[in-house]
Amino acid sequence: GEDVEQSLFLSVREGDSSVINCTYTDSSSTYLYWYKQEPGAGLQLLTYIFSNMDMKQDQRLTVLLNKKDKHLSLRIADTQTGDSAIYFCAEKGSGGATNKLIFGTGTLLAVQP
Amino acid sequence: ETGVTQTPRHLVMGMTNKKSLKCEQHLGHNAMYWYKQSAKKPLELMFVYNFKEQTENNSVPSRFSPECPNSSHLFLHLHTLQPEDSALYLCASSQGASGTDTQYFGPGTRLTVL
Repeated sequence: GEDVEQSLFLSVREGDSSVINCTYTDSSSTYLYWYKQEPGAGLQLLTYIFSNMDMKQDQRLTVLLNKKDKHLSLRIADTQTGDSAIYFCAEKGSGGATNKLIFGTGTLLAVQP
Repeated sequence: ETGVTQTPRHLVMGMTNKKSLKCEQHLGHNAMYWYKQSAKKPLELMFVYNFKEQTENNSVPSRFSPECPNSSHLFLHLHTLQPEDSALYLCASSQGASGTDTQYFGPGTRLTVL
């Protein structure tokens, strides 16, 4: 079945780079997403990547996709305390036309001042 | 502010109560979703509506009953819930229901079932 896995916790110092990793199982996934959830808030879409790309950069965010290993990563450059949040990786599930997203359990990013 | 609002933000109910969660989107979208977020578990898709028609029911127990009267509003009616139903319930909307349509999430309703 479809499954998305992430490590639960990452701690970095302010100004360092953060790398959050994700693995997925559905090789037919067409889109992969990164969402951010701050305390008490819903999910905010950060970025997404098409499966035919291997890298996407958007300001401080860099997404790398290794389709062969089914591995997705999110790099945040110059991490700030405001980046502290839970980060969710998601893939669009295969089968059917419904926009069904399969989420990982989320990675809690703690940024130390 | 994503353009998706949910009320109430917090709800405490007993197992015999009946309550409803409300979601409203101001984005002109046609698809709306209910998700359940439990502690230490991945987000689970519950229901999908596209142009007011239910297109996905992810094996959700009948004690959860969705209603979509129009493309801007989505409700989740709750009755005879169990303590394990305590979770954050998130609503989302997207322009359409295809994989290219970004889902925008509301802030969620934190539900506690006693």
